[in-house]
Amino acid sequence: EPEVTQTPSHQVTQMGQEVILRCVPISNHLYFYWYRQILGQKVEFLVSFYNNEISEKSEIFDDQFSVERPDGSNFTLKIRSTKLEDSAMYFCASSRTVGGETQYFGPGTRLLVL
Amino acid sequence: ILNVEQSPQSLHVQEGDSTNFTCSFPSSNFYALHWYRWETAKSPEALFVMTLNGDEKKKGRISATLNTKEGYSYLYIKGSQPEDSATYLCAYLYYSNTGNQFYFGTGTSLTVIP
Repeated sequence: EPEVTQTPSHQVTQMGQEVILRCVPISNHLYFYWYRQILGQKVEFLVSFYNNEISEKSEIFDDQFSVERPDGSNFTLKIRSTKLEDSAMYFCASSRTVGGETQYFGPGTRLLVL
Repeated sequence: ILNVEQSPQSLHVQEGDSTNFTCSFPSSNFYALHWYRWETAKSPEALFVMTLNGDEKKKGRISATLNTKEGYSYLYIKGSQPEDSATYLCAYLYYSNTGNQFYFGTGTSLTVIP
């Protein structure tokens, strides 16, 4: 069964460094999402992406975040200058369409900013 | 930021008991409600996507109902089994002129005691 994959599974970085989190969505899906969950808190929506551009973003998704689909398979989240409060589990998800369709989640990347 | 509440926060039931929990969400601008099952160290697994008021969906021993007018959804598990132990998350998809965003509840943590 097709699944969403994410790499790396864990990343430790120093404050101020740039990180890139990678996701490979399910191949026939058209909508892609990033979420994060800070330890002990709710899962939070960051951004959705369709047709090679951002379709929605939350107030969390500020200028230090960017997303890209550099080729036909990868979907990346870049954090330009990490802060301590960026430490969280980051989940990628994909769906065939938006809203009324099931989203399939990847296993997540645990990011720790020191 | 819209508030999506789930109750109870955690629940312990005996194997064989039936149980239910609630997701409450704003009744305006409703687009869809998603239920996920999330086991520790795994990614959230989609259970149901519900879009219409009065929707009832069933998957094995798990079923869900939706009331968009009053802003709640119930998830029922009949004859709970230890493998049902997980966190159950709901996600409300909000529709606006500027687009759609997902808002997650904090989840209900279910432990089924053998």
